[in-house]
Amino acid sequence: QKEVEQNSGPLSVPEGAIASLNCTYSDRGSQSFFWYRQYSGKSPELIMSIYSNGDKEDGRFTAQLNKASQYVSLLIRDSQPSDSATYLCAVKRSGNTGKLIFGQGTTLQVKP
Amino acid sequence: GAGVSQTPSNKVTEKGKYVELRCDPISGHTALYWYRQSLGQGPEFLIYFQGTGAADDSGLPNDRFFAVRPEGSVSTLKIQRTERGDSAVYLCASSQRTGYQETQYFGPGTRLLVL
Repeated sequence: QKEVEQNSGPLSVPEGAIASLNCTYSDRGSQSFFWYRQYSGKSPELIMSIYSNGDKEDGRFTAQLNKASQYVSLLIRDSQPSDSATYLCAVKRSGNTGKLIFGQGTTLQVKP
Repeated sequence: GAGVSQTPSNKVTEKGKYVELRCDPISGHTALYWYRQSLGQGPEFLIYFQGTGAADDSGLPNDRFFAVRPEGSVSTLKIQRTERGDSAVYLCASSQRTGYQETQYFGPGTRLLVL
């Protein structure tokens, strides 16, 4: 079992719809959770971070964290073709090391 | 301000050769990370520097890989006796502070191809 798991997709949604991206993690000691967006051929770009249970909203993006279920999700409202990219879930464990453990990423396609 | 920069952007080498990849972090960032990303996969951690010292090198795959950060700023990832399996995008990230709310900013990466 991978430490951070995502469905690789592709997830295809029509323009204007809500895209829902999911991620599960195995280490119960994990304390920080991140969503990065990566366009083809580019480097990852942080779009959301979440540290406590519940929802965190930023514009069209909402991150949701449920530590009991070891589950993180990202909702993108009013999806746009420019949102088409790979979304990487990353987890940081507790402790001194700052390393991020990434899932394999979910490819999102928003169709006009 | 300037972001993380990495050079070269692309590197083609032959099996068995030695390569150096350079990372210039955001000014003032004390933490620096190296990751490796293969096609269709998420980045995989290699090594983490806090200042000049390697605080965690648990991700280095074997002793052909080595990294330094002698003055606590620029870092160089060194790969000896390259193998075809080393072909990947090597990403560098830096952050201003550590802790659970740390944000890592990634550079554009170096695309390494070993023939």
